[in-house]
Amino acid sequence: SQQGEEDPQALSIQEGENATMNCSYKTSINNLQWYRQNSGRGLVHLILIRSNEREKHSGRLRVTLDTSKKSSSLLITASRAADTASYFCATDSIQGAQKLVFGQGTRLTINP
Amino acid sequence: DGGITQSPKYLFRKEGQNVTLSCEQNLNHDAMYWYRQDPGQGLRLIYYSQIVNDFQKGDIAEGYSVSREKKESFPLTVTSAQKNPTAFYLCASSIQGPGGEQYFGPGTRLTVT
Repeated sequence: SQQGEEDPQALSIQEGENATMNCSYKTSINNLQWYRQNSGRGLVHLILIRSNEREKHSGRLRVTLDTSKKSSSLLITASRAADTASYFCATDSIQGAQKLVFGQGTRLTINP
Repeated sequence: DGGITQSPKYLFRKEGQNVTLSCEQNLNHDAMYWYRQDPGQGLRLIYYSQIVNDFQKGDIAEGYSVSREKKESFPLTVTSAQKNPTAFYLCASSIQGPGGEQYFGPGTRLTVT
């Protein structure tokens, strides 16, 4: 079963606007990661946030984690056409499942 | 030029044939993984290996087999027992265990007719 569920499934915005994607999960985690996938390509790791962290930044990316609500958000500021991709959250369960569990992703389209 | 390579990028097979997908990494990572991705979906774990000569089934291992004879290589065989093999297959590796950052190959798109 999918641990992470992204919301929305698809998002279309104008270049320069901010994009926010959300991820909810079910079990307690060690960490939560965000990945990006361009169409027909492999995934690229963006950022990892540990369960004892609440917010993390990397360039134009800002990730928050609320373990009480079992949710995370990924904010991309000042979006560019090149940000068009699918974004996935992945969770590392604390229950020792020894695997990352990926959500179904948010398809982000940046319109020039 | 370090990274993970998968070959071929596109693969076509007739139903009933076994096919092997290649995955090679020169990152010196101990752990390697195989995922399957269907259109508009997330990734599902097929098999993973944390060390040479050892591997574990993931969530959807039925109809697939793997080997890990070398640290650098983790080939995946899609057997004729896999009922719906047409999909995009992704290989990944990580320095530490499955909970860490994973590095992905470019993927192989398998079409079985």
